[in-house]
Order: sequence, then C-alpha cells, then structure tokens
Amino acid sequence: GAVVSQHPSRVICKSGTSVKIECRSLDFQATTMFWYRQFPKQSLMLMATSNEGSKATYEQGVEKDKFLINHASLTLSTLTVTSAHPEDSSFYICSARNNRGGYTFGSGTRLTVV
Amino acid sequence: GNSVTQMEGPVTLSEEAFLTINCTYTATGYPSLFWYVQYPGEGLQLLLKATKADDKGSNKGFEATYRKETTSFHLEKGSVQVSDSAVYFCALGAYNTDKLIFGTGTRLQVFP
Repeated sequence: GAVVSQHPSRVICKSGTSVKIECRSLDFQATTMFWYRQFPKQSLMLMATSNEGSKATYEQGVEKDKFLINHASLTLSTLTVTSAHPEDSSFYICSARNNRGGYTFGSGTRLTVV
Repeated sequence: GNSVTQMEGPVTLSEEAFLTINCTYTATGYPSLFWYVQYPGEGLQLLLKATKADDKGSNKGFEATYRKETTSFHLEKGSVQVSDSAVYFCALGAYNTDKLIFGTGTRLQVFP
C-alpha cells in the first residue's frame, strides 16, 4: 500500500515548450504533496508544498510562475514546467504524506530540455 | 533552523565489509529521522526511520539509532552486498511541519 505513481518517467522537450508531470496517490488520499528537484550527484531540493484545494507554498528562490503546481484532488498533483529551458533539465520527484504517517515518493521524472 | 549533515561519498567497499554512513542533524523540537535509499534512475524508498530518542530503526540488515545527545543517526550494516550499491539519504522531519529536510546523499559502491 501507499503507492505514488509519477508520470512520465522521462521526457524530452524543446526549449520554450511546457511540460506537465503528474503525481498520483493510488491507494490513499494525499492532502499534501511535495515536489523536489534533484541535480546530478546532489541532494533533493524542496521546491514547493502542494495542498489540495489551495495554492501551493513555494520555497525561497523557486519561481512560482515557472513551476506551476496544481493539486485539484486528493489523489493528484501536477507540476508544469513552463517555457522550459536547458537549465530546467533535472530529475523531478514528488512525494506524499501517506496514511501511515510517513512519506511515499514517486519514481521520478527525468526532464531533458533541448 | 533544521538541517542535516551527511558524510560525503562515494564510499567504496568490498562485499561483506562493514558499513557506516555518518549523519548528524540540527533541529528545534523533536524531529523524526529517516534513511532513504535511491537506486539508479529511481525515486526514493524508505529504508528505516526513528521517531524519538534512543529508537533504533532497522530494515534489510541496516540499522540506525536516534542519538539525541550527539544529534546523530548514523547508518550501519554489518555485511554489505553488491546489491546495496545506491545513494543513501539521511532526512529529518521537523515536528511542526510536514517537510522533509535531506542531507546531500552518500553514494555507496560495493564491489565483489
């Protein structure tokens, strides 16, 4: 139980286009989801906290107009990278607070902007 | 503020060697502590956790003890296997928020 499904696992897009990443909790309701960005050989940087039915809370230095987060239901949160550029290429991971008091992570999305 | 300091890698070991990956933390209040493992190209999996002082988390032969006096949560395994090769993250869950604060990760490479 407590599975989080993240799609797509890999995406390549052209510079200037937008990319949407989905994160779904499959067998529990996630009122709060988190979006992280991981640079090569580095740790996870928390980008924002996504709350169902309200605006996301962004960490300092993260552009909210660049990284749009929508948490429209208790099982789905999306991250849209708008007008992507090569420097946005990274590994994005979502996580959700599960119903057992812990955190479940998605399998990540490798974004490459060319 | 809350922070996690983790030893830098990579850690390179032969199979069956003893493993220690150091992790210390700074936190207000009484945080929960976690170790996560990330295999290549994948997301993070919870390895073990401890929610209060002196708790010992254990899983798959890995252990870590929540030491409040030294603010540490070092990861240990008595005999590593090649399949343990991965990146290990120490993390802190602050008691008054839902956020997880991660250390920088330590890459473990185990050779036959």
